[in-house]
Amino acid sequence: AQSVAQPEDQVNVAEGNPLTVKCTYSVSGNPYLFWYVQYPNRGLQFLLKYITGDNLVKGSYGFEAEFNKSQTSFHLKKPSALVSDSALYFCAVRDNGAGNMLTFGGGTRLMVKP
Amino acid sequence: EADIYQTPRYLVIGTGKKITLECSQTMGHDKMYWYQQDPGMELHLIHYSYGVNSTEKGDLSSESTVSRIRTEHFPLTLESARPSHTSQYLCASSEYGENNYGYTFGSGTRLTVV
Repeated sequence: AQSVAQPEDQVNVAEGNPLTVKCTYSVSGNPYLFWYVQYPNRGLQFLLKYITGDNLVKGSYGFEAEFNKSQTSFHLKKPSALVSDSALYFCAVRDNGAGNMLTFGGGTRLMVKP
Repeated sequence: EADIYQTPRYLVIGTGKKITLECSQTMGHDKMYWYQQDPGMELHLIHYSYGVNSTEKGDLSSESTVSRIRTEHFPLTLESARPSHTSQYLCASSEYGENNYGYTFGSGTRLTVV
């Protein structure tokens, strides 16, 4: 069965500094990986996905993620954090079985301080 | 713009009442899901559906029930609400098969049972 780990409950970063939110995964077959963001009292919004191709994936709001097959990681990054990036971030991996369901990590709270 | 709609956005209700949380999507997606999420916490899958007349229980045991009579509609019902049901409920949908590139989420219903 597939699984996703987000080892940090919270990441703190100063505005203007680069940020990284970590994600590791386990899945049989080719990984389909996703990042979502959740703002308070809202649903999850899609940020970016890795299906195949370039290991560096660019997404919404200036975020990008780096797929590393050997380390089974898919870390979310942004070169310069904004206070408005403060939110809850979820990594997910798709089940490659018939169901194609997503398995979500536990979430990481990103706090960007002015 | 999200094409999946949840109503109501907020609901405060007394113990013992029957409630139905509505979820509708206009994308023609076959698959739909209900998640329960305490504020700032991980997602718990409570129900899902692969299509009309298909419903399955998720990973987290729930006293709620669901129905899928129409493709676009996936309501969740609590026959007798209890304070332990206080939480946020998120509905999501996705395409079936290899074109399943992730989920689209609604904005959620925040339920408070007093």
